[in-house]
Amino acid sequence: DTEVTQTPKHLVMGMTNKKSLKCEQHMGHRAMYWYKQKAKKPPELMFVYSYEKLSINESVPSRFSPECPNSSLLNLHLHALQPEDSALYLCASSQGGRGPINSPLHFGNGTRLTVT
Amino acid sequence: GENVEQHPSTLSVQEGDSAVIKCTYSDSASNYFPWYKQELGKRPQLIIDIRSNVGEKKDQRIAVTLNKTAKHFSLHITETQPEDSAVYFCAASKLTGGGNKLTFGTGTQLKVEL
Repeated sequence: DTEVTQTPKHLVMGMTNKKSLKCEQHMGHRAMYWYKQKAKKPPELMFVYSYEKLSINESVPSRFSPECPNSSLLNLHLHALQPEDSALYLCASSQGGRGPINSPLHFGNGTRLTVT
Repeated sequence: GENVEQHPSTLSVQEGDSAVIKCTYSDSASNYFPWYKQELGKRPQLIIDIRSNVGEKKDQRIAVTLNKTAKHFSLHITETQPEDSAVYFCAASKLTGGGNKLTFGTGTQLKVEL
């Protein structure tokens, strides 16, 4: 069982649709992440939230809009996507914190997104 | 920014043999090095990690070594089993203002043959 839950597992959307991906964790982690993974490639960082504030945006196009409503939830809002945005979208969380320690990331099972 | 190179890209071993995967990193400020295993269609799972103040760490059949001077680290799997077959990713990170910004290697497809 994964401790980071992502919904939906699969999503097919057209280029004019608006959809959202959701992520939830109840481990008390204070950092949450969105990664994009294409087939046979490593995960690529998109966004990092630390204490519910956006701390890292890896120059992601504005058609991807993250939101962190509270410390347990992370959303990724999608609008006007392109077929090349089709990928596995992974959410992760880590203990975070303002101390000097990097803590391990725990990944969810991902949402398999297909843009038609 | 950080750049992590990983070799080999594919690795086939016989069951019971050892497997070694090597990674190099570019940023001398990186201080945390996790390894993830990803089975087909599944999420990456942390299997072992090491911090820069440690040279070696072992957990049962899995060990990781770190050479800070040479900026490389390696994953060693002994007595390989078919269930070890997966893609393995190394990663490196350093302290940032918020969160843990991992840079992943390109991955190694490990196949353990009977």
